[in-house]
Amino acid sequence: QLQLQESGPGLVKPSETLSLTCTVSGDSISTINNFWAWVRQPPGKGLEWIASISYTGSTGYNPSLRSRVTISVDRAKKQFSLEMNSVTAADTAVYYCARLRKREPSYWGQGTLVTVSS
Amino acid sequence: QTVVTQEPSFSVSPGGTVTLTCGLNSDSVSPNYYPCWYLQTPGQAPRMLIYTTNNRSSGVPDRFSGSILGNKAALTITGAQADDEADYYCAVYMGSGSWVFGGGTKLTVL
Repeated sequence: QLQLQESGPGLVKPSETLSLTCTVSGDSISTINNFWAWVRQPPGKGLEWIASISYTGSTGYNPSLRSRVTISVDRAKKQFSLEMNSVTAADTAVYYCARLRKREPSYWGQGTLVTVSS
Repeated sequence: QTVVTQEPSFSVSPGGTVTLTCGLNSDSVSPNYYPCWYLQTPGQAPRMLIYTTNNRSSGVPDRFSGSILGNKAALTITGAQADDEADYYCAVYMGSGSWVFGGGTKLTVL
């Protein structure tokens, strides 16, 4: 059974860097057709795809966030990570990690709330 | 910039049928975009209902169905129940590992 678990600080100061990690169990990071993704949801708002990294290591970024975001993977630890720099209050959100596939159901973590505040 | 459009809100009577839609500002939604649908209740992670246009995820009741209607993806709920009241999101695959979510539809069952 695939499980994903987000981890990272729940509070980040404005202008600093948000760092989150997703630990994967029940699947390999390198399984063909896997895209490992980050999606966020500000309080009371909709879902926003942030970035993905494929089983080959190729990356995709939301154009509106591309300049501030980096997604990376550590295959040995079965983890993938998100870094977002220069955060503001607008980046306060529940951040979800997910395994996305085009032709199969997706799996999501439970999400972690990150608040940007001094 | 790609925008995925959904009705902001919809209402359905218990036992009734409702169709939610998912459009693109730049193109018609086709199976090539692998449209999918999620249901989200307050405080919970999104739950996938439909993937690749019309495939139900495991455990999803058959009152939920997906299709292409005209130039949009559609989610139809037949025989709506009270616990179908939730936010519904569609997402489309734009290629190169990129997805775009719609703004979501708040469905009220009353």
